[in-house]
Amino acid sequence: DQQVKQNSPSLSVQEGRISILNCDYTNSMFDYFLWYKKYPAEGPTFLISISSIKDKNEDGRFTVFLNKSAKHLSLHIVPSQPGDSAVYFCAAIAGRGNEKLTFGTGTRLTIIP
Amino acid sequence: DTEVTQTPKHLVMGMTNKKSLKCEQHMGHRAMYWYKQKAKKPPELMFVYSYEKLSINESVPSRFSPECPNSSLLNLHLHALQPEDSALYLCASSQERAYNSPLHFGNGTRLTVT
Repeated sequence: DQQVKQNSPSLSVQEGRISILNCDYTNSMFDYFLWYKKYPAEGPTFLISISSIKDKNEDGRFTVFLNKSAKHLSLHIVPSQPGDSAVYFCAAIAGRGNEKLTFGTGTRLTIIP
Repeated sequence: DTEVTQTPKHLVMGMTNKKSLKCEQHMGHRAMYWYKQKAKKPPELMFVYSYEKLSINESVPSRFSPECPNSSLLNLHLHALQPEDSALYLCASSQERAYNSPLHFGNGTRLTVT
């Protein structure tokens, strides 16, 4: 039972354009969401997070949007750069006392120079 | 450079072997995690240690035995593994609980069970 889903296994975007990665979740108890980026042969690296009390969070070129009613979040990267080519995982956690991070299935982003 | 160090990077072991994976962090983080990742799948939580005590065991088979000797070290002892246990094993740490405290991952140990 995959509670966090990323329906696009891969995405290709031209350098300089906007990359939009999507994530859907089914567990209504999730209230904190994160995006991680993973290069081959490396562990995931934290990118940006958002609490369910917000609907948007920005950090430089990265913006995460949360639509609680649709149980959907997205990561926008603008402008996209070749170094952004990686696998992106969204992740979710339910409640302050919970220590379990549930990861999505991942989207491989390729930035075309 | 990652601040969570995992050794070895690669490990090949037979089904009768006993081996250990090691993880170290010096960021003063109080929570440490073991995740397992199969090819083209998301990382799956195995164990969580909080303040050196085991707080989560995700029904992991007993052939995997975690140990947290101190707040900087986390081991995963392996015994009588099966070929299907071959995967990337990721260690992570966080300042406090995972909520509001992003996990920092190591680069993993690529385990092959023959």
